[in-house]
Amino acid sequence: DAKTTQPNSMESNEEEPVHLPCNHSTISGTDYIHWYRQLPSQGPEYVIHGLTSNVNNRMASLAIAEDRKSSTLILHRATLRDAAVYYCILRDALEPGTASKLTFGTGTRLQVTL
Amino acid sequence: DSGVTQTPKHLITATGQRVTLRCSPRSGDLSVYWYQQSLDQGLQFLIQYYNGEERAKGNILERFSAQQFPDLHSELNLSSLELGDSALYFCASSAVGGNTGELFFGEGSRLTVL
Repeated sequence: DAKTTQPNSMESNEEEPVHLPCNHSTISGTDYIHWYRQLPSQGPEYVIHGLTSNVNNRMASLAIAEDRKSSTLILHRATLRDAAVYYCILRDALEPGTASKLTFGTGTRLQVTL
Repeated sequence: DSGVTQTPKHLITATGQRVTLRCSPRSGDLSVYWYQQSLDQGLQFLIQYYNGEERAKGNILERFSAQQFPDLHSELNLSSLELGDSALYFCASSAVGGNTGELFFGEGSRLTVL
């Protein structure tokens, strides 16, 4: 699996935007970029994913560099409930009808303060 | 609520014993994944089943085994337990559809080996 690099921790003030970076310089052309987060005492939760274009959903936005060697998860207005470990994961594209595993790294622990 | 159910939520046992963790995936999901999360190792992929067949294997010890039944629920069997097996064990499921789909995680089973 191609590797991702994320900062160990970040801090943000509530109501401020948060940009969580991820480097994946060895990404292959068919790797999807996935983001999951894990709130305290819970299982991981899907946030967003993309391949080449920027993506938006109700939780966050994903900005993907043109060369795909890095990406940024954007939380537009951080709340205390967004305090979690955020994982950036590359997922191999396989033939339709199968689904590959996720390989979690150490992620970024986001602290949100008032 | 992710729709993935894991039982038991908590389990305390002694070294040398054997336990079984159970996972019911979301309705219709064919893939089931098992992960182990300990304080020093992070989220480690153990094994994946797809429609009853083993699809991928990760860092799963020989003392551990799993299976997926015809009704798609899965069980993770841990035997000859050691202190180091104390961890959170997560089950996740996903639908068919390649690698654009998300994994849905259960709330985990916390195993304590004394």
